[in-house]
Amino acid sequence: AQSVSQHNHHVILSEAASLELGCNYSYGGTVNLFWYVQYPGQHLQLLLKYFSGDPLVKGIKGFEAEFIKSKFSFNLRKPSVQWSDTAEYFCAVTAYNFNKFYFGSGTKLNVKP
Amino acid sequence: GAVVSQHPSRVICKSGTSVKIECRSLDFQATTMFWYRQFPKQSLMLMATSNEGSKATYEQGVEKDKFLINHASLTLSTLTVTSAHPEDSSFYICSVAQNTGELFFGEGSRLTVL
Repeated sequence: AQSVSQHNHHVILSEAASLELGCNYSYGGTVNLFWYVQYPGQHLQLLLKYFSGDPLVKGIKGFEAEFIKSKFSFNLRKPSVQWSDTAEYFCAVTAYNFNKFYFGSGTKLNVKP
Repeated sequence: GAVVSQHPSRVICKSGTSVKIECRSLDFQATTMFWYRQFPKQSLMLMATSNEGSKATYEQGVEKDKFLINHASLTLSTLTVTSAHPEDSSFYICSVAQNTGELFFGEGSRLTVL
């Protein structure tokens, strides 16, 4: 079965600091990769996704993620975080046919103003 | 993107009763919907895949008789928690996958079983 690991459960940063959240998955076949964000009191929203092509994917609000196939990783990055980035971030994986989505345990990010 | 609505957003029930949660895809005909359960400080756990006009596909360890799923139309899937117990208290979230591969989520339904 597929699994998704997010190693950082809780991250605290000051504004303007750089962010990198780790995501590793276990699945031998072709995968599609996603990062979702859940702002306080809101439902999950898509940040960015990778299907194929350039492994460096740019998403909304200045976020980007890099797919490294050899490492089974899809880490999320942002050069300079803002207080408004305070949220919980979930990495998700699905097989090529989008049959099922599997989520990591989430990383709660607190950005101090 | 697809708009997904869940109802109710919060429900409190007594132990032993059944609770139905509705998930509607408001602007997209969804042949497939996914039901997730989220425990505090944990990930979304896929419970089942709801298929329009056929039986749901349950994940390993999820009791199909406990969590009844019905997907009677292209815009509505329901999850019924039967004979609820306090350990069923959780946050239940449905989602719809568009053919772009993106998942759209409902607002979630928080169930509290007393």
